[in-house]
Amino acid sequence: DTGVSQNPRHKITKRGQNVTFRCDPISEHNRLYWYRQTLGQGPEFLTYFQNEAQLEKSRLLSDRFSAERPKGSFSTLEIQRTEQGDSAMYLCASSPQGGTEAFFGQGTRLTVV
Amino acid sequence: QKEVEQNSGPLSVPEGAIASLNCTYSDRGSQSFFWYRQYSGKSPELIMFIYSNGDKEDGRFTAQLNKASQYVSLLIRDSQPSDSATYLCAVWPRYGQNFVFGPGTRLSVLP
Repeated sequence: DTGVSQNPRHKITKRGQNVTFRCDPISEHNRLYWYRQTLGQGPEFLTYFQNEAQLEKSRLLSDRFSAERPKGSFSTLEIQRTEQGDSAMYLCASSPQGGTEAFFGQGTRLTVV
Repeated sequence: QKEVEQNSGPLSVPEGAIASLNCTYSDRGSQSFFWYRQYSGKSPELIMFIYSNGDKEDGRFTAQLNKASQYVSLLIRDSQPSDSATYLCAVWPRYGQNFVFGPGTRLSVLP
């Protein structure tokens, strides 16, 4: 499968715990995006990488959220001290250099109890 | 004003009819426009993109772009029950580095 891969698919965690999600983009894509989507809403931008550089971060992203993309390959998104409001689908997408069409992974559904 | 707006749903059409989905955007300099389909509980799937004014056809799907009116639409001909999904409009703003999505329009195609 050469698409965008996200792990885990589902995560249930207790409030206050830390969670980390992983995204493996399409191999030749150097752009990687993280979005969050809640029920009935469109995806909301969180952050964007070009290769290993994090070029943009949403102002909506609190300091409990951090993302990395070491070596410009896979990316991780960590949420510290989770809150119930963090419950959402976290989507990763990638696109090639010079192209803006983005392809999404299956998403990670986070439930904070 | 929201950056990307879509006609509120749900939109119901009978099988075989044409479904028309609309999207408006606020950034006049936006260059790229995308339609994604999202089935319930699944991630968005890219179905069309358009960069130039006019129509772009791909099978049963036609995207229409009017930059002067800041309007993009998606027509689905010969609608099938399998087309029932939420359709998301996404825009790449002129000075942005990420896609801005609308809230989506839920389409139901009735057999």
